[in-house]
Amino acid sequence: DQQVKQNSPSLSVQEGRISILNCDYTNSMFDYFLWYKKYPAEGPTFLISISSIKDKNEDGRFTVFLNKSAKHLSLHIVPSQPGDSAVYFCAASSNSNYQLIWGAGTKLIIKP
Amino acid sequence: DSGVTQTPKHLITATGQRVTLRCSPRSGDLSVYWYQQSLDQGLQFLIQYYNGEERAKGNILERFSAQQFPDLHSELNLSSLELGDSALYFCASSVEGGSETQYFGPGTRLLVL
Repeated sequence: DQQVKQNSPSLSVQEGRISILNCDYTNSMFDYFLWYKKYPAEGPTFLISISSIKDKNEDGRFTVFLNKSAKHLSLHIVPSQPGDSAVYFCAASSNSNYQLIWGAGTKLIIKP
Repeated sequence: DSGVTQTPKHLITATGQRVTLRCSPRSGDLSVYWYQQSLDQGLQFLIQYYNGEERAKGNILERFSAQQFPDLHSELNLSSLELGDSALYFCASSVEGGSETQYFGPGTRLLVL
């Protein structure tokens, strides 16, 4: 049972436009959500996180939105840059479970 | 640079052999996690240690084992290796091991021939 789902395996966006990556979860006990970026053959790099007590967190070009009622979160990147091309993973955790539960990832391709 | 180090970077070995992967967490982090990423697949959580004790277990095979030492570095031992064990193995660390950010090392690429 996939508790964290990223339904889009890939996404192609024009440079300079907004990239929106989506993530859905099923476990209402999740209270902390993270986005990681991963280049091939490298470790995931932490990008941004959000606690369940907030609905938005912003860091530079990256903004994460959390809709608890819909059990949905999204990562907005604006403006998109060529260096943003990577695989993006959504992850979630709860205080009752020490594991991060990971989505399958979305490959973002930024077209020049 | 996340501050998490992993050695070796690459490892090539034969089926049936045993290897040890090493991880040093970020300074101050008490918790270490191991993940496996097979070709074109997502990250599979293997096991977590907190301050020397096993805290959580994921999809770790019985042929695999891990430990965290008093200096907080961790080792992942893979034995009776099979072709399907070829993968990237990542270590991550976090301060306490609860709902918090994990920081990942660069990974060890294991190739079993």
